[in-house]
Amino acid sequence: DVKVTQSSRYLVKRTGEKVFLECVQDMDHENMFWYRQDPGLGLRLIYFSYDVKMKEKGDIPEGYSVSREKKERFSLILESASTNQTSMYLCASTRTSGSSYEQYFGPGTRLTVT
Amino acid sequence: GDSVTQMEGPVTLSEEAFLTINCTYTATGYPSLFWYVQYPGEGLQLLLKATKADDKGSNKGFEATYRKETTSFHLEKGSVQVSDSAVYFCASSNFGNEKLTFGTGTRLTIIP
Repeated sequence: DVKVTQSSRYLVKRTGEKVFLECVQDMDHENMFWYRQDPGLGLRLIYFSYDVKMKEKGDIPEGYSVSREKKERFSLILESASTNQTSMYLCASTRTSGSSYEQYFGPGTRLTVT
Repeated sequence: GDSVTQMEGPVTLSEEAFLTINCTYTATGYPSLFWYVQYPGEGLQLLLKATKADDKGSNKGFEATYRKETTSFHLEKGSVQVSDSAVYFCASSNFGNEKLTFGTGTRLTIIP
C-alpha cells in the first residue's frame, strides 16, 4: 500500500521561529510537492521537486524554502514563521513516467503560528 | 494558464439524494482530470480519474465523464450517504507536466 507520511499532524509555533515540516514517501516517486490549504482558496502549490537536490517554486513560495537531500524525503522550511502562515500543509508525490500523474497525499500538518 | 473552476459550496443534501458537483477546466492540450476527496481531518485521496475524452471514471458509486466539447468533468452520484460528507476537489494535469491544478473545493454535507 502506497504511503506518504508527514512528521506531525498538529504543530503550534511562535512568531519568528524556524519551522521544519517533513514528508516521506515509500513509493520511489521522483516528484514531490508541498501545498498549503486554506478555506475558500483550495490547494496552492508552494514548492515542488522533480529530483534529489532539485526544486522549483510554485505559486506562493514567499516565506518558504525546501530541501530534498534524499529521494524519499522532502522538507518544507519556514525560515521565520508568521501568523499568516497558519494553515494546513499537505505533501504529495507522483511518478514522472505515465500519463495521468496521479498525486498521492499525506495526512496533512495543521500549523498554528501564534 | 491552466485553471479549474468548480461549483461553490457548501452543498447540503439529504441522504439518498442525487448529487452533482460541477467542474470545468481550461488547459492547453489534453489534460488528465481527477476528483479528489478529503474526509474530515485527513489528507486528499484520489476518488476517480479520466485520462482522455469520453472516458468515464468511477469509484464508490461516484462517476464523472471527461467531456472535451464542454471542457467539463462533473461529479455525480445517484444516492448519497452520510459517509460521503467531505470536501471534493476537481483537478487537472497536462501530459508532460507533473503539476496539478486544483479547484477551490466543494464542501458536501449529507444529512440523515
